[in-house]
Amino acid sequence: GAVVSQHPSRVICKSGTSVKIECRSLDFQATTMFWYRQFPKQSLMLMATSNEGSKATYEQGVEKDKFLINHASLTLSTLTVTSAHPEDSSFYICSARVGVNTEAFFGQGTRLTVV
Amino acid sequence: AQTVTQSQPEMSVQEAETVTLSCTYDTSESDYYLFWYKQPPSRQMILVIRQEAYKQQNATENRFSVNFQKAAKSFSLKISDSQLGDAAMYFCAYRSANGGSNYKLTFGKGTLLTVNP
Repeated sequence: GAVVSQHPSRVICKSGTSVKIECRSLDFQATTMFWYRQFPKQSLMLMATSNEGSKATYEQGVEKDKFLINHASLTLSTLTVTSAHPEDSSFYICSARVGVNTEAFFGQGTRLTVV
Repeated sequence: AQTVTQSQPEMSVQEAETVTLSCTYDTSESDYYLFWYKQPPSRQMILVIRQEAYKQQNATENRFSVNFQKAAKSFSLKISDSQLGDAAMYFCAYRSANGGSNYKLTFGKGTLLTVNP
């Protein structure tokens, strides 16, 4: 099956700093990537959808200036949490899809802790 | 907008027994996909099974099978011969087949399955 690699798996940062999370499709080219946020014992909440070479589409209520998404190539998308605060602490998951009728494959997630 | 409802926050099953997880959804579309994902303690999302709405035959994958009732908008997951490794959070998910919203997945809230030895 297709492999999506997410890095880092865990990160701790100081309040006010920015942190970047990478999502790579290792053995396929991903036309679309999705970023999710998951709170403990809750479901995945879609934050944004990104298509290679175009601006991300953010879900209602997600601050696009705080959660910067870049999808510069068909194998890499990044999520940058800017000016992080403790309330941004969460589990972030990416997924990637190669075609319109194919599965979305998930990265292993990133646990962000802002102190 | 589509919604997915999982009415069982938690379920438990004895090892080797069978358990059924419930899922209902709401949509006005006729063509779509339904999925069950498993999220073990590692939190890696794993696809368990998928069902195309245009197919009447229920999908099966080894010990996992679904009961897809399109008219009732119901999509339950049956796990037979439960194993300790089946313990996880299970999410039901919906995806449009007509290109709406880039084919994003809509997830239910999840059912936490415990398997007792």
